[in-house]
Amino acid sequence: AQTVTQSQPEMSVQEAETVTLSCTYDTSESDYYLFWYKQPPSRQMILVIRQEAYKQQNATENRFSVNFQKAAKSFSLKISDSQLGDAAMYFCAYWGQAGTALIFGKGTTLSVSS
Amino acid sequence: KAGVTQTPRYLIKTRGQQVTLSCSPISGHRSVSWYQQTPGQGLQFLFEYFSETQRNKGNFPGRFSGRQFSNSRSEMNVSTLELGDSALYLCASSWEGEANTEAFFGQGTRLTVV
Repeated sequence: AQTVTQSQPEMSVQEAETVTLSCTYDTSESDYYLFWYKQPPSRQMILVIRQEAYKQQNATENRFSVNFQKAAKSFSLKISDSQLGDAAMYFCAYWGQAGTALIFGKGTTLSVSS
Repeated sequence: KAGVTQTPRYLIKTRGQQVTLSCSPISGHRSVSWYQQTPGQGLQFLFEYFSETQRNKGNFPGRFSGRQFSNSRSEMNVSTLELGDSALYLCASSWEGEANTEAFFGQGTRLTVV
């Protein structure tokens, strides 16, 4: 079975600084998708960024980028120029070939200070 | 267009009762998935419906059930509530329920069992 591990329960960053959130996963599948979701206090999960495993190029979305290391099964999220609005819980998630469901990590709570 | 709507937002029930939660997906989306979020277990997949058929089911007891209507709206039902069922229940809709299409989440229903 696939698993997703986020080893940092909490992280903090100063405004305008850069922070990296870690995620590792375990799978025997060759084709899959990886996601980072943000869950602010409003509770609504918002997709931050998506990576397709067959693409070697790391995905980027404005201030958000990933470092996808397929062999190491690592998928970290880098947030540049952090803003107060980035404060939230961040979830790493996996979606494999065979499933129709997201498998989530336990999440990392990010706090941003001014 | 309107997002995913979950009702009610908050619910308090007594142990042993049953509860029904509702999810209205984004117009045109045919896949609806349900997740349970708790501090201890994180986000866990309950089930997924596509065109009124349950396509996938997570590892939850039979007390948890769901259905989907012809307009793609979905309901989930929990019978004989237990204290451990207290959680945030999230639903997500997507076009086909495939990893290459984005899943949009509702704001969830916070269920408290007393």
